[in-house]
Amino acid sequence: DQQVKQNSPSLSVQEGRISILNCDYTNSMFDYFLWYKKYPAEGPTFLISISSIKDKNEDGRFTVFLNKSAKHLSLHIVPSQPGDSAVYFCAASATQGGSEKLVFGKGTKLTVNP
Amino acid sequence: AAGVIQSPRHLIKEKRETATLKCYPIPRHDTVYWYQQGPGQDPQFLISFYEKMQSDKGSIPDRFSAQQFSDYHSELNMSSLELGDSALYFCASSLAGIAGNYGYTFGSGTRLTVV
Repeated sequence: DQQVKQNSPSLSVQEGRISILNCDYTNSMFDYFLWYKKYPAEGPTFLISISSIKDKNEDGRFTVFLNKSAKHLSLHIVPSQPGDSAVYFCAASATQGGSEKLVFGKGTKLTVNP
Repeated sequence: AAGVIQSPRHLIKEKRETATLKCYPIPRHDTVYWYQQGPGQDPQFLISFYEKMQSDKGSIPDRFSAQQFSDYHSELNMSSLELGDSALYFCASSLAGIAGNYGYTFGSGTRLTVV
């Protein structure tokens, strides 16, 4: 049972436009949500996170929105750059039990075209 | 800045052999995590250690074992290898209590191929 779902395996956008990556989750115990970016032959790199008590977190060109009632979060990248082309993983953590393990979605491959 | 170091980067083993993967966390990080990523799959949590003690366990087969040593490096031991064990194995480290806000730092992974 996939607790974190990224239903779009790929997304293609033009340079300068907005990229919106979506993620849904099923476990209401998740209290942190994170986005990771992964290039081929490298490990995932942490991008941005959001706590379940917030609905928005912004860091430069990256903004994550959380809709708890819909169990949905999204990552907005504005403006998109060719260097943003990578696989983006949504991840979630339920830290109340003391564990900080991450549950990952299957990833969305973003391609930003020049 | 020092990152998470994993060795080897690539490993080819035959079925039924054993493999040992090593992970050197970022200095002062007290928690190590192991993840397995099969082809086209999401990373799956295997096991974690906090201050050299196992802190959580995921979908780790009984054929696998892991430990964290006094210098905080960790090793994943895999025995009786099967073809299905072929995957990328990632190690990550963090400071306990802040991983939710700041995430882990992942290593570049070890690509294990079982033939």
